[in-house]
Amino acid sequence: AQTVTQSQPEMSVQEAETVTLSCTYDTSENNYYLFWYKQPPSRQMILVIRQEAYKQQNATENRFSVNFQKAAKSFSLKISDSQLGDTAMYFCAFMKGYGQNFVFGPGTRLSVLP
Amino acid sequence: DAEITQSPRHKITETGRQVTLACHQTWNHNNMFWYRQDLGHGLRLIHYSYGVQDTNKGEVSDGYSVSRSNTEDLPLTLESAASSQTSVYFCASSELAGVQETQYFGPGTRLLVL
Repeated sequence: AQTVTQSQPEMSVQEAETVTLSCTYDTSENNYYLFWYKQPPSRQMILVIRQEAYKQQNATENRFSVNFQKAAKSFSLKISDSQLGDTAMYFCAFMKGYGQNFVFGPGTRLSVLP
Repeated sequence: DAEITQSPRHKITETGRQVTLACHQTWNHNNMFWYRQDLGHGLRLIHYSYGVQDTNKGEVSDGYSVSRSNTEDLPLTLESAASSQTSVYFCASSELAGVQETQYFGPGTRLLVL
């Protein structure tokens, strides 16, 4: 069975600074998908970024980028130029294949400080 | 715009009562999922469906049931509510589209079982 670990329950960062959230996972699959979801106080789950395991290039979406290390089974999220609106819970998620269900990590609570 | 909605957004019930949480999506997605979110556990999969008349058990399915009579809806039923089922419930949907599959989440339903 797949597992996802987020070793940082809480983190904080100053506005405009850069922060990196860690995620590791365990799987025997070779092809899979990884995601970062953001959950603000409104409780809505919002997709931040996704990565296909077969792609060597790290995904980037504006201020958000990932460092995907397949051999190490690591998938960290870097948030550049942090903004107050980035304050949220961040969940790392693993998906084995097309249409398969997600396995979520326990989440990291990020606070962006003014 | 296409969306996924959940109702009710908040529900208080008593132990032993049957409760049904509604999930409705207008994307015409084949895949639908129910998760529960508890502190320290992230999101855990309850049930999922890959199409009409298809249902499957997830990681924490005991005490829950679903049925899929059409593409748009996947209601979640708690047959006899227990205090351990106090949680926030999220519905999600996804559609296979090459490698662009992503799960879209509803706003969540907060359930309190007294």
